[in-house]
Amino acid sequence: DTEVTQTPKHLVMGMTNKKSLKCEQHMGHRAMYWYKQKAKKPPELMFVYSYEKLSINESVPSRFSPECPNSSLLNLHLHALQPEDSALYLCASSQGRYSSYNEQFFGPGTRLTVL
Amino acid sequence: GQQLNQSPQSMFIQEGEDVSMNCTSSSIFNTWLWYKQDPGEGPVLLIALYKAGELTSNGRLTAQFGITRKDSFLNISASIPSDVGIYFCAGPGSGNTGKLIFGQGTTLQVKP
Repeated sequence: DTEVTQTPKHLVMGMTNKKSLKCEQHMGHRAMYWYKQKAKKPPELMFVYSYEKLSINESVPSRFSPECPNSSLLNLHLHALQPEDSALYLCASSQGRYSSYNEQFFGPGTRLTVL
Repeated sequence: GQQLNQSPQSMFIQEGEDVSMNCTSSSIFNTWLWYKQDPGEGPVLLIALYKAGELTSNGRLTAQFGITRKDSFLNISASIPSDVGIYFCAGPGSGNTGKLIFGQGTTLQVKP
């Protein structure tokens, strides 16, 4: 299995809602990532988990809360988002943060719209 | 900080033509990755390069790791309509953090 899966595919939420994005991989990868991507721009890194521990937080606002329940799963909890948070949210995984191989494999993304 | 300059920004070509795009940096990279992203989808890894001077092919795609370690090229031969998308180059950030530095992307449009 060489896939990273993400649910839901699309999400519309109000500014007072709480929702969660889910990501799963079964490649035995030990590093997982959340990215935010605006239209026609490259992905922007938000968080890195290495061996289920948060290793990088790119100064992301606290209304985004990541969670890594186990080595295969990554969640992103959303609360009190702003309309400017509307974007494509991508999950990725790689063999390991310290691996000499830096290949990251991306999921299909969740298209988030905040009203 | 580290930056990747990708060019051209966009290309509009006729089906069957060859395509060439490149990525340059003022810093040395020890890995170059090339991704393609279709609209509304996540980036898909096309080619990974690990050695200076390395030339790697994946079907009609060929990528090269520049000898100076500061550039990389991606060529697509005999383009077809499904080649449409945004192509990103990427390389690892310094400090072995797992962070990837991305180029700004090359948008490719193919006219049938």
